[in-house]
Amino acid sequence: AQTVTQSQPEMSVQEAETVTLSCTYDTSESNYYLFWYKQPPSRQMILVIRQEAYKQQNATENRFSVNFQKAAKSFSLKISDSQLGDTAMYFCAFMMYGGATNKLIFGTGTLLAVQP
Amino acid sequence: DADVTQTPRNRITKTGKRIMLECSQTKGHDRMYWYRQDPGLGLRLIYYSFDVKDINKGEISDGYSVSRQAQAKFSLSLESAIPNQTALYFCATSDGIAQFFGPGTRLTVL
Repeated sequence: AQTVTQSQPEMSVQEAETVTLSCTYDTSESNYYLFWYKQPPSRQMILVIRQEAYKQQNATENRFSVNFQKAAKSFSLKISDSQLGDTAMYFCAFMMYGGATNKLIFGTGTLLAVQP
Repeated sequence: DADVTQTPRNRITKTGKRIMLECSQTKGHDRMYWYRQDPGLGLRLIYYSFDVKDINKGEISDGYSVSRQAQAKFSLSLESAIPNQTALYFCATSDGIAQFFGPGTRLTVL
């Protein structure tokens, strides 16, 4: 069974600084997708970025980028130039490629606080 | 307008009552999901549906039922609510890869 682990329950960063959130996963599959979701205090779940395991190039979306290390089963999220609006819970999630359920498996989240 | 909507946004009910949470989407996706979020546990899948005639149990379906009334509508019911069903409930749709979530329903069972 696949599992997703986020070992940092809480993190803090100063505005305009860079922060990296860690995520590791366990799977025997070779083809899969990885995602980062953001949940601000409004509680909405917002897709931040996604990565296809077959792509070697790390995904980037504006100030958000990932460091995908397939052999190490690591998928970290880097937030550059942190803004107050980045304060949120961040969830890492795994999905098997071509799976019958298209099911997302979530980590337990990292609460990020951006300080002014 | 939001692509995925949920009603109600907040609900307080009593033990033993029947509750229905509704979800509607305008994204045109066939795949819809219901999740439950508890503090420290992340999101867990309750039920999912790939079309109107397809309903499947997730990892924590006991005590819940669903109805897919149309491609755009997927409802979650608690037949007899109990306090440990107090949680934040999310509906989601999928394009086959990414999932897109509604705003959530905060349910409290007293």
